[in-house]
Amino acid sequence: AQSVAQPEDQVNVAEGNPLTVKCTYSVSGNPYLFWYVQYPNRGLQFLLKYITGDNLVKGSYGFEAEFNKSQTSFHLKKPSALVSDSALYFCAVRDDTGGFKTIFGAGTRLFVKA
Amino acid sequence: EAQVTQNPRYLITVTGKKLTVTCSQNMNHEYMSWYRQDPGLGLRQIYYSMNVEVTDKGDVPEGYKVSRKEKRNFPLILESPSPNQTSLYFCASSSTSGRAEAHEQYFGPGTRLTVT
Repeated sequence: AQSVAQPEDQVNVAEGNPLTVKCTYSVSGNPYLFWYVQYPNRGLQFLLKYITGDNLVKGSYGFEAEFNKSQTSFHLKKPSALVSDSALYFCAVRDDTGGFKTIFGAGTRLFVKA
Repeated sequence: EAQVTQNPRYLITVTGKKLTVTCSQNMNHEYMSWYRQDPGLGLRQIYYSMNVEVTDKGDVPEGYKVSRKEKRNFPLILESPSPNQTSLYFCASSSTSGRAEAHEQYFGPGTRLTVT
């Protein structure tokens, strides 16, 4: 069965410092991995995805994520955090076994302090 | 503007009173889905649809119904709402061209439902 774990409920970082939001997953087939961001009172917005190929994926707003197959992880990163990055971040997974269910993690709240 | 719309945005109702939350997308997407968001649980998929007249259960379908009679619309129906269905609901859509599972989803603004 598919599953996604975001081990940190909250991540605190100072503006200008690098940030990492962690995600690990479990799927039966090959994974399709996604990161979404939710700002207050808004729907989710797509940030980036891993389908195949290069393990380092670049996305919107300067975010990137590194796919690690051996560790079944897909951590979200940004070299220099902004206060405006403060939001709720969700990791999600699908696999290629023919189903179209999407499993989301519980979410990680990012606080960036000025 | 490409978008997913949901109505109503806020709804307070009583136990047992049937309700429908509408969802519409203008991107000609084949895939549509409903999720509920609860604190500490993230988003959980209720139902999804690969195309007109094709629907399937997600992880938490109990107490919900859906229909897909037109490509652009995917209403969520609660025939007898209960307090445990109080939640924030999101509709989403995506393309299925090529590798269908690889497409990101576009989300609506959410519907906050309270059942008393």
